[in-house]
Order: sequence, then structure tokens, then C-alpha cells
Amino acid sequence: GQQLNQSPQSMFIQEGEDVSMNCTSSSIFNTWLWYKQEPGEGPVLLIALYKAGELTSNGRLTAQFGITRKDSFLNISASIPSDVGIYFCAGQVGNQFYFGTGTSLTVIP
Amino acid sequence: SQTIHQWPATLVQPVGSPLSLECTVEGTSNPNLYWYRQAAGRGLQLLFYSIGIGQISSEVPQNLSASRPQDRQFILSSKKLLLSDSGFYLCAWSVGITNEQFFGPGTRLTVL
Repeated sequence: GQQLNQSPQSMFIQEGEDVSMNCTSSSIFNTWLWYKQEPGEGPVLLIALYKAGELTSNGRLTAQFGITRKDSFLNISASIPSDVGIYFCAGQVGNQFYFGTGTSLTVIP
Repeated sequence: SQTIHQWPATLVQPVGSPLSLECTVEGTSNPNLYWYRQAAGRGLQLLFYSIGIGQISSEVPQNLSASRPQDRQFILSSKKLLLSDSGFYLCAWSVGITNEQFFGPGTRLTVL
């Protein structure tokens, strides 16, 4: 399957700090998706991006679909303790979705 | 609105026993359905996906199988579980127009 490189693998930040994570691929995708997963639960869709260059916000979250269609980033502003979890990127092409390896976020109060 | 159900939520099974995990989707028609396995809270591995009743694509050859007896029902099975089958199994659905994928709550399987 296609490989998505997600970085960083983990982050430990102070409450109130901003967070940035990204995904890159050698392949082009039609859609980029960002998910958050909490322990013992299924991933929850945060943001979906449909067009190259698209910048979308959802509250304190902002994500962008890279111009080349091979990358995407997710920013979280003013982090709070409930932002803790694992964040996954995913690229969609056809009926298939390919996932990054996840970024584990820890927020220190 | 659409919802996706998985059961059981947790399962402990001995090696060599059979397995049946069920996933159902409500509120949509003709969904694409997916089974993933996740080990140690990271890395989603696609096992099977289905674009319609009776149509199953296998991504990883192993001792698991999948079936789709109804439009909104997807079942993951095994005749004989291995220790390596332990993990967190996630069902997901998508509909072509939105190109978004939504996950169920997952089943935690422990094989002893």
C-alpha cells in the first residue's frame, strides 16, 4: 500500500502552546483527512480537505491540503489538556484510504 | 444521521477458537465498508474492504476472512485464532461523494 510519512511521532507540550504536525507522501491524493483517536476508541474525523491549496479551520484546528497534493499539515492553537490523543492523517484515492503512523500528543497542564 | 456500531466491544478468546466480529451502519445506503486492525494504538492496517454486498477485497493474506451479507452489515471472521490476531479492530464506512471515512468504536480482541 501507499506510505504516508507523519511527523513528529510524539509531542510533549505545555498547555497554551501551539502544535504543528504534517504528513507527506510520494503519491497524489484526492482528499486529505485528519483524525483524532483517544484510548480505546475509534478515530474521529476532525477535518477533511478536498482541493489542493485548501485551508480549512475547525475551531482551534487548522489544516491545509498541499499544493502538490502530496502533503498536508494540521495546526492546533492554544492547546488544552483535552487535546491529548493520537492524531492521524489519511489520504484518499478511489475507494482506498491510506493512513499515517500517528502523532501522539501530550499536553502538560 | 449516520451511525456505525461494532460488537462486541471487548473479547477474550483462546488460541484456536473461532471469531466473529460484526459491524453495522445506519442512516446511509450503499456504503463502502472497511475492516482495519490497529496494534498498540498506532498504525491502521487495512484488512478488507467492500464496495457492495458479496464483494470483498482482501488487502493482507492471513487467517481472517470477511463477509458482507447485507448492504449495511460487515462481518470479520476466523476459523482458528492465532496469538498474533490480538489487536484493536476497527470498522469504517465511506460514501463516494464526500470522500470521508468514519470509524466505529472498535473491538478489543485479546487472544490467549
